[in-house]
Amino acid sequence: EAGVVQSPRYKIIEKKQPVAFWCNPISGHNTLYWYLQNLGQGPELLIRYENEEAVDDSQLPKDRFSAERLKGVDSTLKIQPAELGDSAVYLCASSLGRGPYNEQFFGPGTRLTVL
Amino acid sequence: GNSVTQMEGPVTLSEEAFLTINCTYTATGYPSLFWYVQYPGEGLQLLLKATKADDKGSNKGFEATYRKETTSFHLEKGSVQVSDSAVYFCALSGRDDKLIFGTGTRLQVFP
Repeated sequence: EAGVVQSPRYKIIEKKQPVAFWCNPISGHNTLYWYLQNLGQGPELLIRYENEEAVDDSQLPKDRFSAERLKGVDSTLKIQPAELGDSAVYLCASSLGRGPYNEQFFGPGTRLTVL
Repeated sequence: GNSVTQMEGPVTLSEEAFLTINCTYTATGYPSLFWYVQYPGEGLQLLLKATKADDKGSNKGFEATYRKETTSFHLEKGSVQVSDSAVYFCALSGRDDKLIFGTGTRLQVFP
């Protein structure tokens, strides 16, 4: 069974440019997460989806970040415009449902470098 | 709010040495506790978990016991291998089901 797929794996852009990350969760997983991982830090939740509904986006900087999960499967995270401080790894994860008994499976991440 | 503190790395060991990576937490109520591992170039993988006090999670020779009295969840392994070299993250999940991670501890095992 395929795991969580993310693309691209690496992205280098200049500041003020837009960028988008794509995630395909494990088939059948209703819950999808986007995390931000800064260098030397643990992941921090940006947004969580239950099917196509964003149920927790309190940590998403809404002035420049947006996300969507049309049809409750794939998801896209966008930054517009990117800033130097956005350089980080963006992780996508999925699980069957909520709660500690539903393991979160992580993708390999997209490493963003903003110049 | 909820938080996780784990020992800074890197932890450098010789093969077959004993490993301990310390993790303590602050949380309201009774969180679930986790250890995740991140091998080079790969995504985070759940290593083990414990959902209530005194539970012991174990997997691949690693163990951790949920200690409510000391608010700790230290990771241990009796004999590490070179293939255990990775970054280890302690995490908790509280009432809101949100995973809160520590900063990670890099383990380097040399032959």
